[in-house]
Amino acid sequence: NAGVTQTPKFRVLKTGQSMTLLCAQDMNHEYMYWYRQDPGMGLRLIHYSVGEGTTAKGEVPDGYNVSRLKKQNFLLGLESAAPSQTSVYFCASSYRLGGSGTDTQYFGPGTRLTVL
Amino acid sequence: DAKTTQPPSMDCAEGRAANLPCNHSTISGNEYVYWYRQIHSQGPQYIIHGLKNNETNEMASLIITEDRKSSTLILPHATLRDTAVYYCIVTLYGSSNTGKLIFGQGTTLQVKP
Repeated sequence: NAGVTQTPKFRVLKTGQSMTLLCAQDMNHEYMYWYRQDPGMGLRLIHYSVGEGTTAKGEVPDGYNVSRLKKQNFLLGLESAAPSQTSVYFCASSYRLGGSGTDTQYFGPGTRLTVL
Repeated sequence: DAKTTQPPSMDCAEGRAANLPCNHSTISGNEYVYWYRQIHSQGPQYIIHGLKNNETNEMASLIITEDRKSSTLILPHATLRDTAVYYCIVTLYGSSNTGKLIFGQGTTLQVKP
């Protein structure tokens, strides 16, 4: 199993450009998440999905859109990139256990995005 | 979700036990304590979690106080590869929960030779 993969690994954008980050998981997980991490900070949740076709906002959703058309993929879009979106983006997935069960999240290697 | 407080940094000698504390005084009865670590800008890695009993796995032990207001992650024999930022996270799990993790700034553990 590849686990959670992210593409691209690095990207440089100019202000106002758009791009899409792709996250893929091969563990048949229901839940997927996008986080961002700024230098010296912990991760902050941007958007998440509890299943195919569903998305929801996290802590810092402004300036981002997401889509979950297929269970294994979770896309993060920047429609008009801004320098404040320079960050490392991590995707994660988890298997929904339901009820009062617990779960863990599996993270991808990250995408390093610089917006000039 | 309850907030957590961790020391910003700690040192540990290689081969010795590393004990990382975490305070979560506002934890509620159905919130779990999770520990993740992040090695040099890689994606975070799950270590261990617990509700109220002490837990142990191949990576670490988790000691939760009886009142659940604090916990300690123990790496029994720290190696240089354990140098990382360690995050203590308290999160609610249940049928209506989405498993969202709220990361603080964590503790930077430096294991020294």
